[in-house]
Amino acid sequence: AQSVTQLDSHVSVSEGTPVLLRCNYSSSYSPSLFWYVQHPNKGLQLLLKYTSAATLVKGINGFEAEFKKSETSFHLTKPSAHMSDAAEYFCVVSPLFMDTGRRALTFGSGTRLQVQP
Amino acid sequence: KAGVTQTPRYLIKTRGQQVTLSCSPISGHRSVSWYQQTPGQGLQFLFEYFSETQRNKGNFPGRFSGRQFSNSRSEMNVSTLELGDSALYLCASSRDPSSYNEQFFGPGTRLTVL
Repeated sequence: AQSVTQLDSHVSVSEGTPVLLRCNYSSSYSPSLFWYVQHPNKGLQLLLKYTSAATLVKGINGFEAEFKKSETSFHLTKPSAHMSDAAEYFCVVSPLFMDTGRRALTFGSGTRLQVQP
Repeated sequence: KAGVTQTPRYLIKTRGQQVTLSCSPISGHRSVSWYQQTPGQGLQFLFEYFSETQRNKGNFPGRFSGRQFSNSRSEMNVSTLELGDSALYLCASSRDPSSYNEQFFGPGTRLTVL
């Protein structure tokens, strides 16, 4: 079975300061991991994905995430927050193999990022 | 290239009614998945369709159903609506199941059940 835990439901940072959104996962198999962002009244947009290549993954808008197998973590970071980064962020796990034949993205509960001017 | 489109964007229904939501995937994408998003339960997988066949189904009651047409457009139907069905329903498309992880989401349909 797989699950995702986003450790913070809300994160508030000042514009220009670093962003850290934490995510821990559990998966029975080698997972693919993703971060999606959702702006108000919008659908989800893929920020970045990890699929067993490089452990440091670079995404759009300056975001990156590091896959740490020993810590079962996939934290999202950005060196300098921008006002437009204010949104909800979802960490997602999807196993590469499933013996049940069912395949579905498993979403974390989300972290709402606020960016203060 | 146009993105995933969902219609309608907003819908208000009353308990006991039924509703049909529509999703048009990105051109060339043949796999469509549906998700329900609520404040309490978060994002939950409903079902996935490919080549007009339901491939996977989440843990939802039989009141939730869907189908896919030969042009890959998909509809989902909820019968006998309950207050708890109020949610944002998101559709996502991907090229095919082998690229399942490359999902592109539509803006969603916000359903309110009164």
